[in-house]
Amino acid sequence: DAGVIQSPRHEVTEMGQEVTLRCKPISGHNSLFWYRQTMMRGLELLIYFNNNVPIDDSGMPEDRFSAKMPNASFSTLKIQPSEPRDSAVYFCASLDGGDEQFFGPGTRLTVL
Amino acid sequence: QKEVEQNSGPLSVPEGAIASLNCTYSDRGSQSFFWYRQYSGKSPELIMFIYSNGDKEDGRFTAQLNKASQYVSLLIRDSQPSDSATYLCASSGGSYIPTFGRGTSLIVHP
Repeated sequence: DAGVIQSPRHEVTEMGQEVTLRCKPISGHNSLFWYRQTMMRGLELLIYFNNNVPIDDSGMPEDRFSAKMPNASFSTLKIQPSEPRDSAVYFCASLDGGDEQFFGPGTRLTVL
Repeated sequence: QKEVEQNSGPLSVPEGAIASLNCTYSDRGSQSFFWYRQYSGKSPELIMFIYSNGDKEDGRFTAQLNKASQYVSLLIRDSQPSDSATYLCASSGGSYIPTFGRGTSLIVHP
């Protein structure tokens, strides 16, 4: 298996633009997590899906952030409009019901 | 508010020494505890998990859990320069949703 796939790997955009991050979990994994990592705040959970259903979105910062999982093999995290404080590395991780979360390589987002 | 606390470091140890990384957690309902290693510019990868009080050994790594003290530690024996990374401690209850600490930076110098 190729592992968790994220795209793009790097994104540079201007304030106010819409940003869409994509994730393909490991086949057969039924849980998917979106995280944001910054030096100041560390690794923060944004949202957690189980069987494509959002279970906990309490970490989503505000209405500018939205996430979807239309099927078991694809999820998106959208920021609209983006702001400089959204600059971070965004990780997607998947889990098969065991204990080990498998992280994707991350998307490094820079909002100018 | 569930919190996991770690000293940010850096913790600097000579090659061949034992590195000791520590973590405390606030949620007494936590059942599972994890140590992830994250190299600079890379994603976290799981290296150890522990559920029960006591020690769990895997190669050069030993995880220690003390639920009464709400304390988790990771010992790395015979530290190598390749062990230089940030180590993230995480805890979770029964929901598989982990709470991560901010990590401890470890530097192993030759």
